[in-house]
Amino acid sequence: GENVEQHPSTLSVQEGDSAVIKCTYSDSASNYFPWYKQELGKGPQLIIDIRSNVGEKKDQRIAVTLNKTAKHFSLHITETQPEDSAVYFCAASEDYGQNFVFGPGTRLSVLP
Amino acid sequence: EAEVAQSPRYKITEKSQAVAFWCDPISGHATLYWYRQILGQGPELLVQFQDESVVDDSQLPKDRFSAERLKGVDSTLKIQPAELGDSAMYLCASSPGQGTAGANVLTFGAGSRLTVL
Repeated sequence: GENVEQHPSTLSVQEGDSAVIKCTYSDSASNYFPWYKQELGKGPQLIIDIRSNVGEKKDQRIAVTLNKTAKHFSLHITETQPEDSAVYFCAASEDYGQNFVFGPGTRLSVLP
Repeated sequence: EAEVAQSPRYKITEKSQAVAFWCDPISGHATLYWYRQILGQGPELLVQFQDESVVDDSQLPKDRFSAERLKGVDSTLKIQPAELGDSAMYLCASSPGQGTAGANVLTFGAGSRLTVL
């Protein structure tokens, strides 16, 4: 089955700096790669996603890149703000929600 | 904005007791997921429904856990008897359904936090 690894497990950055979180996956059948943000005591919320026919996607300060050959994808957050502090999860799944597997998470702390 | 509803938000129980969690997905969403999230880890799938049918329950500990979605709308996850190791956040998510656009876009509820004493 699918296995998703995520690094780093914790990340601290100064406000205004950039943050990068990297994930790798094992199953070549996976073609959908979302990123979720989870704040304390809440369920994960989708912040951005990318499909395998796209190499990069951007939404304001957040971008995701995908290298399907190498089976890795990354989340980039620019101009970080204190409210970006949360746990971020990457995930991988097949076309229709099959084998939806999450990474172990990255705790991001943005220091004022 | 449509939400996935879960209850209770918090549950404290003693080991060997029974506990149940309820989930109401976004209206019209055919696929419903139950995940377990242990503190400090990513969510792990317990069971996936497509309408009222179980699609994947390979990771559900069937000796003590059961899940149902009788009318293909809301769902209940039950644990009996609860064990200390079951302490975790139980997350419900829904998506439009296999074969539809956005089928794998999951929307999560706020979760039910279980503490077993």
